Amino acid sequence: DAKTTQPNSMESNEEEPVHLPCNHSTISGTDYIHWYRQLPSQGPEYVIHGLTSNVNNRMASLAIAEDRKSSTLILHRATLRDAAVYYCILRAGGTSGTYKYIFGTGTRLKVLA
Amino acid sequence: DTAVSQTPKYLVTQMGNDKSIKCEQNLGHDTMYWYKQDSKKFLKIMFSYNNKELIINETVPNRFSPKSPDKAHLNLHINSLELGDSAVYFCASSQDQEVGPGRSEQYFGPGTRLTVT
Repeated sequence: DAKTTQPNSMESNEEEPVHLPCNHSTISGTDYIHWYRQLPSQGPEYVIHGLTSNVNNRMASLAIAEDRKSSTLILHRATLRDAAVYYCILRAGGTSGTYKYIFGTGTRLKVLA
Repeated sequence: DTAVSQTPKYLVTQMGNDKSIKCEQNLGHDTMYWYKQDSKKFLKIMFSYNNKELIINETVPNRFSPKSPDKAHLNLHINSLELGDSAVYFCASSQDQEVGPGRSEQYFGPGTRLTVT
């Protein structure tokens, strides 16, 4: 199973952009890069995913390096509600239900008021 | 409407008891999962079901038995509970067919905090 490496924790000021890095040097050509976050006392929540191109959605942007060995989740304006643990996960294809998410330790984001 | 729901939210029980946790999803998804999050916050998959068929069964003790009566439900029954079973259990679902397992996202329930005393 391809693994990811993230910093244990990061801090950001409210209203400022946050760049959360993730290294995945053993990624294979068919692995999708998924990001989830887990707010305190809640289940993980899908944030965004991508394969090769950068992606934007209402929650965040995902910047994927050209060699795909790293990616960065970008929160454009951090709010106090964005304080959570952010997980970067690689997800391969295959038949339905066969691939499991391997959650690492994630990055705990602290947002300062 | 809650997409993935679990009951109960909290469960406190004694060692040796048998308990069940129920999970329901109203998203029409074809795949459901059980995850365990221990006290160190590591989140690990236990089982996955696709269209009521067991697909993934990680190295989970036989005391844990998932049951999927239909595509919308995946219950977890635990026999002879032990102290080490104390954790938060999350149910999740995804739509793998049509979307593709690599691209589909998982929707998680709110979790069930199990405490074994």
